[in-house]
Amino acid sequence: SQQGEEDPQALSIQEGENATMNCSYKTSINNLQWYRQNSGRGLVHLILIRSNEREKHSGRLRVTLDTSKKSSSLLITASRAADTASYFCATRGTSGSRLTFGEGTQLTVNP
Amino acid sequence: GAGVSQSPSNKVTEKGKDVELRCDPISGHTALYWYRQSLGQGLEFLIYFQGNSAPDKSGLPSDRFSAERTGGSVSTLTIQRTQQEDSAVYLCASRWTSGSPGELFFGEGSRLTVL
Repeated sequence: SQQGEEDPQALSIQEGENATMNCSYKTSINNLQWYRQNSGRGLVHLILIRSNEREKHSGRLRVTLDTSKKSSSLLITASRAADTASYFCATRGTSGSRLTFGEGTQLTVNP
Repeated sequence: GAGVSQSPSNKVTEKGKDVELRCDPISGHTALYWYRQSLGQGLEFLIYFQGNSAPDKSGLPSDRFSAERTGGSVSTLTIQRTQQEDSAVYLCASRWTSGSPGELFFGEGSRLTVL
């Protein structure tokens, strides 16, 4: 099974609303990353949070990490139609350099 | 180069044929990854190269799949005797390692269709 599992699988909101996506994982991690993928394109790195951090901000993005629950959330505030994309969490374990991706959340922001 | 470059962007082949997919990472990136993404799915790890170390091949789904990285730069993923279930987008990514927290830079992918 995937190390990272996103929830929900799909999310549809109106422009201006906030979007929250969750990610759960199973093993100890070194860091957790969020990526965005527009349809038919490669992935673009959004934000990285280390295992000793609890919250991180970047522009309209806010990421939290709870290592006791093995979960993370990505909040996009004041969403825009251009935020429509798939969002993936990815974890790097404490040993090795493999980055393991979840199944992703498909976000649709309606204008 | 400015980014990770992959070729071909699209490949249609017949079942049983061999295919080669190429990845040209960002100059100076010592780590290179291959992932596979089926339609509407997440990314499946295939293989990881780090400098001159032995690659992590643990994600290759069968012995029909192989990859090499020449001169620590360009990588080629080879699929022999392709099957219809090999149809997917093959994504390559690279990153720095020394002093890097681990952000990956992805190419646009090679879409493989096996008829």
